[in-house]
Amino acid sequence: DVKVTQSSRYLVKRTGEKVFLECVQDMDHENMFWYRQDPGLGLRLIYFSYDVKMKEKGDIPEGYSVSREKKERFSLILESASTNQTSMYLCASSFTSGAPYEQYFGPGTRLTVT
Amino acid sequence: QQQVKQSPQSLIVQKGGISIINCAYENTAFDYFPWYQQFPGKGPALLIAIRPDVSEKKEGRFTISFNKSAKQFSLHIMDSQPGDSATYFCAASKESGGYNKLIFGAGTRLAVHP
Repeated sequence: DVKVTQSSRYLVKRTGEKVFLECVQDMDHENMFWYRQDPGLGLRLIYFSYDVKMKEKGDIPEGYSVSREKKERFSLILESASTNQTSMYLCASSFTSGAPYEQYFGPGTRLTVT
Repeated sequence: QQQVKQSPQSLIVQKGGISIINCAYENTAFDYFPWYQQFPGKGPALLIAIRPDVSEKKEGRFTISFNKSAKQFSLHIMDSQPGDSATYFCAASKESGGYNKLIFGAGTRLAVHP
């Protein structure tokens, strides 16, 4: 069974804090993704990575950065958290080739910035 | 710019009824159209997917209907059950450089009443 785990289910941070969200997958997937989920907006891609140390901006990268030092781990960093970054954050992973496109999601981290 | 438009935002169906969720897309280069199902407290999971070379795909009670000329696709859930109550996301994707980015619709919250 594919497993994508996220370091926290719930997180409360103060405005201006640096926030780290961690994601680990155990399927040797090449691709990893970070999304944020907001009501009425669906899932929006923040960043993705197709290989170790490689990253690409998604649709809403402003205010975020990422790090992928190992294949199984993909971190999302909020350099200076703001209240408009209060959201559900979802990590996903997938293979590059073969059975295409299925992304496996973690359970999400609900971040509240006060 | 919303590339995948999903409707309705919420849907209430009686047990045994048919649930229908519709999506429309703009980019004719999309070549893969999955539907994801998300239960409360869980990440989305792939439910069923279709490629544009077929007009319909059925898996159990779930059917995708695809209309390439209209750039629309829909999910039909036959004999809807309370256990189908979840949020459903349509998505579209185009493979690019060996990795796939999914563009998600806004989501439909389905409630099946017993």
